[in-house]
Amino acid sequence: GDSVTQMEGPVTLSEEAFLTINCTYTATGYPSLFWYVQYPGEGLQLLLKATKADDKGSNKGFEATYRKETTSFHLEKGSVQVSDSAVYFCALSDNTGNQFYFGTGTSLTVIP
Amino acid sequence: GAGVSQSPRYKVAKRGQDVALRCDPISGHVSLFWYQQALGQGPEFLTYFQNEAQLDKSGLPSDRFFAERPEGSVSTLKIQRTQQEDSAVYLCASSLGSKTGELFFGEGSRLTVL
Repeated sequence: GDSVTQMEGPVTLSEEAFLTINCTYTATGYPSLFWYVQYPGEGLQLLLKATKADDKGSNKGFEATYRKETTSFHLEKGSVQVSDSAVYFCALSDNTGNQFYFGTGTSLTVIP
Repeated sequence: GAGVSQSPRYKVAKRGQDVALRCDPISGHVSLFWYQQALGQGPEFLTYFQNEAQLDKSGLPSDRFFAERPEGSVSTLKIQRTQQEDSAVYLCASSLGSKTGELFFGEGSRLTVL
């Protein structure tokens, strides 16, 4: 069945460092791919998404490119801030949009 | 309201008690999902509604779990005879129901079973 595998954490970076969180997926058909973020004490919220191969999602300085050939959707940011400290979840939705699959989450802590 | 609202935010139950968790989705959202999130894990699918129809309940871990959405809006997740392994955060999410649409999550209901 469909599934998502993401890099395990926790990840600790200094402010302004480069961030990569790896995510790979297994799916039949043509899924849509998402990154969700959960800030401390808050619910999950969408960070960015890509709905077809080679699409790049971007938001708040974060980017991820839908790579069908490597079945990947890695999250990157060139210069992290303390306010980026959160848990990041990679997710996919199946062909119907009726089922979403989430990775286990990667905790990021950015220190000043 | 503007977002997905869940209540209660925190619930402590004694083992064997029944609990009911409520979700009020975004108005007009056709699809409603329940997820279970254990500590340090990602959300695990429980069940899915399209309007009032429960189209998928394959993720419900046992017959002690029951969900309903009788009028296609508010949904209730009921857990009967709670066990310690039921302790988790229960997340509700809604969406417009398209493949490319995002899920909007509530803040969750944290259930602790003693």
